[in-house]
Amino acid sequence: QQPVQSPQAVILREGEDAVINCSSSKALYSVHWYRQKHGEAPVFLMILLKGGEQKGHEKISASFNEKKQQSSLYLTASQLSYSGTYFCGTERRNYKLTFGKGTLLTVNP
Amino acid sequence: DAGVIQSPRHEVTEMGQEVTLRCKPISGHDYLFWYRQTMMRGLELLIYFNNNVPIDDSGMPEDRFSAKMPNASFSTLKIQPSEPRDSAVYFCASSSQAAGNQPQHFGDGTRLSIL
Repeated sequence: QQPVQSPQAVILREGEDAVINCSSSKALYSVHWYRQKHGEAPVFLMILLKGGEQKGHEKISASFNEKKQQSSLYLTASQLSYSGTYFCGTERRNYKLTFGKGTLLTVNP
Repeated sequence: DAGVIQSPRHEVTEMGQEVTLRCKPISGHDYLFWYRQTMMRGLELLIYFNNNVPIDDSGMPEDRFSAKMPNASFSTLKIQPSEPRDSAVYFCASSSQAAGNQPQHFGDGTRLSIL
């Protein structure tokens, strides 16, 4: 079952923060986050495993709330290079990723 | 290190023709995934292989689609006969482990247009 991402789109000015959410109605084992720029392949950002850990990657971090089956991606002090579509992929211990429909992030100068 | 290599990058063909998409995974990766991306449905898993063996093909839309992995360094996705609704971007990805605690590395994709 496809996870639900919100918001569908967000526009920021350089330096502003954003949060992207990913929710599932099923119990999850892991959540993967990817960023895709127009016309390019999805690029891996990070994985969060069952256990509610929070991970960081430069100014991009994420958390996984196991009780709510929800993951959030935090982008702080956004840069122009952060623009793109962000996808979460959820896995239910069946070795397959199911991707959300994506969140289009636009960072303007 | 070379990433996942897909060919062709673009394919335009007429309805009814056979289409073959190719993928070379990252050396040493045991898992290979084929995805299809459209605006309407997003990124969908079609099939995945482990050690050249198809494990789950439940995402393959219909019998017109078939995939093979004859060896560890090559896989094909074939559509025969092709239809306009097959138009999409097809991605191949590989991983050293099935989805879990290892990332999937995507190729640049094949943009397929069926006229």
